[in-house]
Amino acid sequence: GESVGLHLPTLSVQEGDNSIINCAYSNSASDYFIWYKQESGKGPQFIIDIRSNMDKRQGQRVTVLLNKTVKHLSLQIAATQPGDSAVYFCAENISGGFKTIFGAGTRLFVKA
Amino acid sequence: NAGVTQTPKFRVLKTGQSMTLLCAQDMNHEYMYWYRQDPGMGLRLIHYSVGEGTTAKGEVPDGYNVSRLKKQNFLLGLESAAPSQTSVYFCASSLKRVNTEAFFGQGTRLTVV
Repeated sequence: GESVGLHLPTLSVQEGDNSIINCAYSNSASDYFIWYKQESGKGPQFIIDIRSNMDKRQGQRVTVLLNKTVKHLSLQIAATQPGDSAVYFCAENISGGFKTIFGAGTRLFVKA
Repeated sequence: NAGVTQTPKFRVLKTGQSMTLLCAQDMNHEYMYWYRQDPGMGLRLIHYSVGEGTTAKGEVPDGYNVSRLKKQNFLLGLESAAPSQTSVYFCASSLKRVNTEAFFGQGTRLTVV
């Protein structure tokens, strides 16, 4: 079936360390995989996406890795800052465009 | 540039009452979406629109109706609210058909008692 899940519901890291948030997916037909950040009381905010024909994509302080063999997606945040504290959602965009399946989210705590 | 604006931000309804949530975007996006977010779950798509005058059902459309009379506005209606519709509702819009970079509003917290 279609599902997007997360290995850890919460992640606590020290300021300045790197963070890795993991996600598993089950639908092989997904075209895109997306990471969103949601701060308390706000709507989700797009971070980065990766197309299914890629295995790595880098942005500003973030890197997304896609392993289609094991259906695993990860978001790496370099030099984690207090402003990175939020809930992070992975999502997959099913072929056709309009159906985006969201995972339940991982809450990232950054300790000063 | 306000982006995506939702009104109201909070609302409490009694079972059986009706209401309309308004979403407005000023980015000239063709595609608009309504999601609901429940505790411990990701966002689930209720309805979406691919352009002015069009609407389509998402994953969880039952109990909701939508209208897109103007390109910049997408309305979500609850005709007879039920406690199961207690949730946080998010509107989003996107420029591309494949909505990887969707812009979300601040959300509407709805409680049905």
